[in-house]
Amino acid sequence: QSVLTQPPSVSGAPGQRVTISCTGSSSNIGAGYDVHWYQQLPGTAPKLLIYINSNRPSGVPDRFSGSKSGTSASLAITGLQAEDEADYYCQSYDSSLSEVFGGGTKLTVL
Amino acid sequence: EVQLLQSGGGLVQPGGSLRLSCAASGFTFNNYAMSWVRQAPGKGLEWVSSGSGGSTYYADSVKGRFTISRDNSKNTLYLQMNSLRAEDTAVYFCAKGRSSRAVAVTFDYWGQGTLVTVSS
Repeated sequence: QSVLTQPPSVSGAPGQRVTISCTGSSSNIGAGYDVHWYQQLPGTAPKLLIYINSNRPSGVPDRFSGSKSGTSASLAITGLQAEDEADYYCQSYDSSLSEVFGGGTKLTVL
Repeated sequence: EVQLLQSGGGLVQPGGSLRLSCAASGFTFNNYAMSWVRQAPGKGLEWVSSGSGGSTYYADSVKGRFTISRDNSKNTLYLQMNSLRAEDTAVYFCAKGRSSRAVAVTFDYWGQGTLVTVSS
């Protein structure tokens, strides 16, 4: 059971918009800690996708965006492409002195 | 270009020990926090440990068994794993932090991962 809750899977057709939620609590996201998002393509290491809630590292397309409100955060992907098919993880910090990850969401491009 | 090249890993018996290494290049190593994150087969990501300067932090699941260390003269991060258990079986990734802070870390670059299998 992960500290941060994500839907196990989401799907969308090419060109569509999908969102992935990340729900925490008052001891992590709700305590004001930042949320970061990672993309993990099959068989590869995770890659930083969004940092500090809504910032994109250089090289990440602006089709990817992040937001945070209260005890939750969201990752939105617009103009879905086949290459976006991957696992996505949110990450934050918890007052129990631990970095915490969501359980991961598998994105399928139909 | 930031590169993190991992080595170590392999098959070890329960109760055994193993040391993982992560050689860094492309940035000023001693200015940044470094961490270990693992992923059990078919499962999600789990934070293991972070360290910067003289400060180190551990997940409860590995506290007292694993030790994170770094040799800034060799730009290398280590994870010494003792008293290994079957549930420690995972791919272990080293990861660079965006700053020197080893708490509330953003993992901005990752190593390629190395598989540790604990089995008799």
